[in-house]
Amino acid sequence: NAGVTQTPKFQVLKTGQSMTLQCAQDMNHEYMSWYRQDPGMGLRLIHYSVGAGITDQGEVPNGYNVSRSTTEDFPLRLLSAAPSQTSVYFCASRTPGANEKLFFGSGTQLSVL
Amino acid sequence: GENVEQHPSTLSVQEGDSAVIKCTYSDSASNYFPWYKQELGKGPQLIIDIRSNVGEKKDQRIAVTLNKTAKHFSLHITETQPEDSAVYFCAAAVYGQNFVFGPGTRLSVLP
Repeated sequence: NAGVTQTPKFQVLKTGQSMTLQCAQDMNHEYMSWYRQDPGMGLRLIHYSVGAGITDQGEVPNGYNVSRSTTEDFPLRLLSAAPSQTSVYFCASRTPGANEKLFFGSGTQLSVL
Repeated sequence: GENVEQHPSTLSVQEGDSAVIKCTYSDSASNYFPWYKQELGKGPQLIIDIRSNVGEKKDQRIAVTLNKTAKHFSLHITETQPEDSAVYFCAAAVYGQNFVFGPGTRLSVLP
C-alpha cells in the first residue's frame, strides 16, 4: 500500500517559472490537502479538497492553484514562482468518519531562485 | 480561528531521560489532538492522538495528556532513545474541519 505519493522530491525553479507538484493517494480518501513547512512556522494549510470537484482555500493560498478531477489526485500549481515560495511542501489525505487521521506524503523541497 | 502554541521550540535530553512537550490551543470546540513525528527528510508521521472525551492515552514509551479546562495537552516520552530525535508537531482540530498545527519542537537525545 503506497499511501500518499508526492513527486518530485526536489525542484529548483527560477522566479516567474510555473510548475505542478503532484500528489496521489491510493486509500480512497475524500479529503486531501496541501501544506507548506517553513522554519519556526510549522505546517500551514495552502488548499484543501473534500472530494472530486470541490476545493477551498486554506491559510496561505496566494500564488497557488489546485484542482481535483479524481479522488486519487490533487496537484498543486505554482503559476509564477516567487522566492517567497521556497519551502517544503507536503500533501496529506485524511480518513473519513469519527476516527479521522491525517496521513502525509514524503514532501517536495522547492527552491525558487 | 484556532491557534496552537507549542513549547519548547528545541529540547535536548540525555538518553534514558524523559521528554515533555506542551501545546496550548485557543478554540474550545477542538476535540481531536494528534501528535506527529518528523524525521529528517521525511513527512510527518502520526505517533499518538487523543480525543476530548479522554484525559490520557499511552502507547509504550509515549503518552499524551489533555486538560480541556486549561486548553492544553502534552506529549510525554519516557526512556528516550537516540531514534526519538526528530521534530515533533502537535495539532488541534474540530471533527471534520482542518487541522491546525503548532510550530514544532526539535528534540535531540544525546548519547
